[in-house]
Amino acid sequence: KNEVEQSPQNLTAQEGEFITINCSYSVGISALHWLQQHPGGGIVSLFMLSSGKKKHGRLIATINIQEKHSSLHITASHPRDSAVYICAVRDDKIIFGKGTRLHILP
Amino acid sequence: KAGVTQTPRYLIKTRGQQVTLSCSPISGHRSVSWYQQTPGQGLQFLFEYFSETQRNKGNFPGRFSGRQFSNSRSEMNVSTLELGDSALYLCASSLVVRYNEQFFGPGTRLTVL
Repeated sequence: KNEVEQSPQNLTAQEGEFITINCSYSVGISALHWLQQHPGGGIVSLFMLSSGKKKHGRLIATINIQEKHSSLHITASHPRDSAVYICAVRDDKIIFGKGTRLHILP
Repeated sequence: KAGVTQTPRYLIKTRGQQVTLSCSPISGHRSVSWYQQTPGQGLQFLFEYFSETQRNKGNFPGRFSGRQFSNSRSEMNVSTLELGDSALYLCASSLVVRYNEQFFGPGTRLTVL
């Protein structure tokens, strides 16, 4: 069993829909990161969380430390949100999920 | 402020050769981490440096090594290249280790023939 599990693996939605991507982990962590990777490889760090909830524009990230679970939400999704979203947890080392490939249709 | 830069961006090598990749962090950042990304394994942690010291290392063979210089620039070296080393190699910098946001470079795409 992977130490970091993301779901779904792939998601296709219509523009405007509310999107949720989930991340569950089985190890102790000091922080959890959500990353965005566009075709071509560039990675952007979206959030770093150790507790609670963070919001940036249309993106919201939450974490429940007791349940070892985090969610990334995208409100009013747009085709430019199409990318791979990667959850990563770290304590001494960083462990990545396999990513969720999101495709938003216009 | 300039972002993280990596050189070269693309590299083609043959099996058995060695390769050196370079990463220049954001000015003022003292921590540099290296990652390997492949279609099969996804992103995997290689190593992390802070103030010229390796702080953590991932589960990669000894053919993979790195170092950090006094100006925080970092290099990673892969010796005796294998076909399976073909990957996107990413570096990321942060102010300090563990608790800071990481800023990623564009990556070096290595192809081993």
